[in-house]
Amino acid sequence: GAGVSQSPSNKVTEKGKDVELRCDPISGHTALYWYRQSLGQGLEFLIYFQGNSAPDKSGLPSDRFSAERTGGSVSTLTIQRTQQEDSAVYLCASSLDLGGEQFFGPGTRLTVL
Amino acid sequence: KQEVTQIPAALSVPEGENLVLNCSFTDSAIYNLQWFRQDPGKGLTSLLLIQSSQREQTSGRLNASLDKSSGRSTLYIAASQPGDSATYLCAATTSGTYKYIFGTGTRLKVLA
Repeated sequence: GAGVSQSPSNKVTEKGKDVELRCDPISGHTALYWYRQSLGQGLEFLIYFQGNSAPDKSGLPSDRFSAERTGGSVSTLTIQRTQQEDSAVYLCASSLDLGGEQFFGPGTRLTVL
Repeated sequence: KQEVTQIPAALSVPEGENLVLNCSFTDSAIYNLQWFRQDPGKGLTSLLLIQSSQREQTSGRLNASLDKSSGRSTLYIAASQPGDSATYLCAATTSGTYKYIFGTGTRLKVLA
């Protein structure tokens, strides 16, 4: 596609429920990144993919967070048993290759009640 | 461990002024450094990317420089306009890690 897309744009959920956030990178981009931006905070790196492989999962906040990428394209970030502190904007970016210029999607605003 | 700092946190200038935003990093083994702008409630827009072998990049009224020895990058905005009002973020990736570490940003307001 023309740019990185993310869905849904907004998600409101109840504490304890599972959520899935989707990212569609720019076609042909091999690297994909997930970040989290909490209110008034900077961007926090979560995980990156090279192809379908995630070499560095150190940024995931807890074992309730997981991510996968299939076909070297779409990625899904899953948060299980959501907590109120998970409320944030989740941003996805892609780049042609690892460490290259990143292009961001519009984000998914997650609110956990 | 790479740390990125941006000063000032906020800046207010009259229209037409030239201005400089600062970004400092602790690990000089930079692979790439990228500048972004973020408008309220929106995602990030890439402005400029400086590779480790480069000293500066220019795009229109924007010029970004990179000095690895001093651990600094600057974003120069010429003839500022109200439409430049946004939060400006710098992010650095270190050789071998490939993940970008972001500064907390400079919130710029250009007054008409």
